[in-house]
Amino acid sequence: KAGVTQTPRYLIKTRGQQVTLSCSPISGHRSVSWYQQTPGQGLQFLFEYFSETQRNKGNFPGRFSGRQFSNSRSEMNVSTLELGDSALYLCASRFNVGRTNTEAFFGQGTRLTVV
Amino acid sequence: GNSVTQMEGPVTLSEEAFLTINCTYTATGYPSLFWYVQYPGEGLQLLLKATKADDKGSNKGFEATYRKETTSFHLEKGSVQVSDSAVYFCALSGRDDKIIFGKGTRLHILP
Repeated sequence: KAGVTQTPRYLIKTRGQQVTLSCSPISGHRSVSWYQQTPGQGLQFLFEYFSETQRNKGNFPGRFSGRQFSNSRSEMNVSTLELGDSALYLCASRFNVGRTNTEAFFGQGTRLTVV
Repeated sequence: GNSVTQMEGPVTLSEEAFLTINCTYTATGYPSLFWYVQYPGEGLQLLLKATKADDKGSNKGFEATYRKETTSFHLEKGSVQVSDSAVYFCALSGRDDKIIFGKGTRLHILP
């Protein structure tokens, strides 16, 4: 069974540009979450989608948005990039939600560098 | 809100030493607790989990026991190897289903 796939693995963008990251969850998993990982802040929750609906959201500005498609694949978009958006963006999938013992499986991440 | 606090690193040990990484949590109700590991250049991998009080999760020689009375989930291993060098994250999933992570503990094992 294929794991969580994130594309691209690496990105370099210029301040002010926008970027779209993609995540394909494990087959059969309907929940996709996104996290930002930086050395200073650690792992911060961005948002979670389940069945194409956003069900949880972290404390990030509106420049960060996401969506989920009917095949459970998800994209996140960051507009008007800032230097501080440089980070490793991790996607995680879960089979189901509503049960607290459902663990998340992570992709390898997309390393975004804003210059 | 829910939170996870884990010991700051880096932790440096010699091969075959005993490892403990402390983790405590704050949450309402009975969250599920997890330990994840991140090797250089990779995403997070689930190491072990526990879903109720007194449960013991174990995997690859690592163990952690869900202690409700002390709100703790400390990670232990009796004899570490160089290949255990990585960053370890304690995490919980509570009523709102959000998975909250600690800041991570970097572990260095010297041969």
